[in-house]
Amino acid sequence: GIQVEQSPPDLILQEGANSTLRCNFSDSVNNLQWFHQNPWGQLINLFYIPSGTKQNGRLSATTVATERYSLLYISSSQTTDSGVYFCAVDGRFASGSRLTFGEGTQLTVNP
Amino acid sequence: EPEVTQTPSHQVTQMGQEVILRCVPISNHLYFYWYRQILGQKVEFLVSFYNNEISEKSEIFDDQFSVERPDGSNFTLKIRSTKLEDSAMYFCASLLSRGQGRWEQFFGPGTRLTVL
Repeated sequence: GIQVEQSPPDLILQEGANSTLRCNFSDSVNNLQWFHQNPWGQLINLFYIPSGTKQNGRLSATTVATERYSLLYISSSQTTDSGVYFCAVDGRFASGSRLTFGEGTQLTVNP
Repeated sequence: EPEVTQTPSHQVTQMGQEVILRCVPISNHLYFYWYRQILGQKVEFLVSFYNNEISEKSEIFDDQFSVERPDGSNFTLKIRSTKLEDSAMYFCASLLSRGQGRWEQFFGPGTRLTVL
């Protein structure tokens, strides 16, 4: 099946700093989503972005499908941004519509 | 904005007991899913459900698991005889079609299952 690798595994920032999280995937994808898992364990949809660039406030994401990677940008980070960020994909040639998740990036934003 | 809801938020059970986890997907969504996340690990697919039957399941989804859509709104995951290793967060999701083979899944807040 499709492989999803996220980097870095851990990231510690001071409030106000910017960061870039990366997601590499091993095959063509139909769909790609970014999620934020908050300290209560909830998975929050951030972006649906199988290709192109999107922005939502301080967050933006870019997926270059031909090169099999996606980037999540967090600007002017806040303590509430802390948590785990997951990338999840559905392989273009896979049957069904299951999402395959990466291992996640654990982000800690210190005040 | 419509949301996927799940009950209970926490469930503690004894090994060998049966548990039923409940989900209400977003209305007018047609595909439903269960995923699980063992503490500290990534989220793993369990099963997908469409048109009142399982459309895909993973190797994790063995005979002790079953899913059901008993009415027009609820979607349930039953674990018949729980084991210690079933302790995890269980997420329900439903799918929004965006056309041309594109879709987006929306996740519920999860049920944290603890098996003692």
